[in-house]
Amino acid sequence: EDQVTQSPEALRLQEGESSSLNCSYTVSGLRGLFWYRQDPGKGPEFLFTLYSAGEEKEKERLKATLTKKESFLHITAPKPEDSATYLCAVQATNDYKLSFGAGTTVTVRA
Amino acid sequence: EAGVTQFPSHSVIEKGQTVTLRCDPISGHDNLYWYRRVMGKEIKFLLHFVKESKQDESGMPNNRFLAERTGGTYSTLKVQPAELEDSGVYFCASSYQTSPKAFFGQGTRLTVV
Repeated sequence: EDQVTQSPEALRLQEGESSSLNCSYTVSGLRGLFWYRQDPGKGPEFLFTLYSAGEEKEKERLKATLTKKESFLHITAPKPEDSATYLCAVQATNDYKLSFGAGTTVTVRA
Repeated sequence: EAGVTQFPSHSVIEKGQTVTLRCDPISGHDNLYWYRRVMGKEIKFLLHFVKESKQDESGMPNNRFLAERTGGTYSTLKVQPAELEDSGVYFCASSYQTSPKAFFGQGTRLTVV
């Protein structure tokens, strides 16, 4: 069974204080690793898909990287509007369903 | 472009009652998924439609849950009879046929009392 573990569970940052979120995964064959952002009372919002080890993707202050066992979401110089829960999910080869981690709740103080 | 829309946004029902959740996917998306998040746990897959056909229903917890997708458009998820442990947030997502990128709705928060 696919497993996704995210750490830490919660992260409190000062505005401008860069940090990284970790997503460790085990899957029989990786089709894709996904990062989503979720705000309170809303559904997950797509951020990135990574397909192979060594791949990196960036969007504004966020950068996602992928190895064969884990992915990192780096937040550079965060702003209060980056406060959210960040979800990691994996999709196995020949499958379409997502297996999610429990998420990391990020709070950025001004 | 309209996103994935779910109705209702909240529902409070008594144990033993029936509830029907609705999902309208993004137009043109053949894939439709149901997921749910129960308190304190991660989001879990329930089932996957390709057009009107059930592709994978391995995540459905038991036969009190029935999902349909009429004509390959909107989908409904019925819980009958509802139990306390069914409380949680039910998400619907959709994607193009060959795309792994799924777009999620805002969710329906179901509370069974």
